[in-house]
Amino acid sequence: AQSVTQLDSHVSVSEGTPVLLRCNYSSSYSPSLFWYVQHPNKGLQLLLKYTSAATLVKGINGFEAEFKKSETSFHLTKPSAHMSDAAEYFCVVSNQAGTALIFGKGTTLSVSS
Amino acid sequence: GAVVSQHPSRVICKSGTSVKIECRSLDFQATTMFWYRQFPKKSLMLMATSNEGSKATYEQGVEKDKFLINHASLTLSTLTVTSAHPEDSSFYICSARDFEGRHSPLHFGNGTRLTVT
Repeated sequence: AQSVTQLDSHVSVSEGTPVLLRCNYSSSYSPSLFWYVQHPNKGLQLLLKYTSAATLVKGINGFEAEFKKSETSFHLTKPSAHMSDAAEYFCVVSNQAGTALIFGKGTTLSVSS
Repeated sequence: GAVVSQHPSRVICKSGTSVKIECRSLDFQATTMFWYRQFPKKSLMLMATSNEGSKATYEQGVEKDKFLINHASLTLSTLTVTSAHPEDSSFYICSARDFEGRHSPLHFGNGTRLTVT
């Protein structure tokens, strides 16, 4: 069965410093992986997706993620945090049939000035 | 990009009444829509998969008689919380894909905050 583990429930950074949100996955097949962001009382917005093409995936708002099969990781990074990046971030894997998405438990990103 | 519209964004109702939440795909057709429930500081829990023209598929532990789902057209799915109780208070989010397959991301509505008093 497939699953995702977000290693940090809460990450705090200062504005202008790099962001690293960690995600490990477990899958018996070549996975499709996604990162979503959720601002308070809002739905989820797709940041980026990995679908077995390039291992370094660039997303919106300056975020990117690298798929590392040997480490079963799909960490999300951003070179310089902005106050508006404060939100909840979810790492997500699709099941093999494509009928469901499995969500990680989320990482809360706080950005201080 | 694909847009999913959810209405209402916020609703307060009295215990024992029913509430209907609408989910529309605005610029694409969706044969399948998904309904999630999110508890405070928790991840999303898939409640059911809404299938156009047929019965919804409910996840284990979700009461289908309490959470009625109708997917009457390719652009509209509704979730009705029947005989709502305070424990039904939550954030409900719908989503849909603009194409099928496991590479396809979900597009989410903005959610509905339900408060049952």
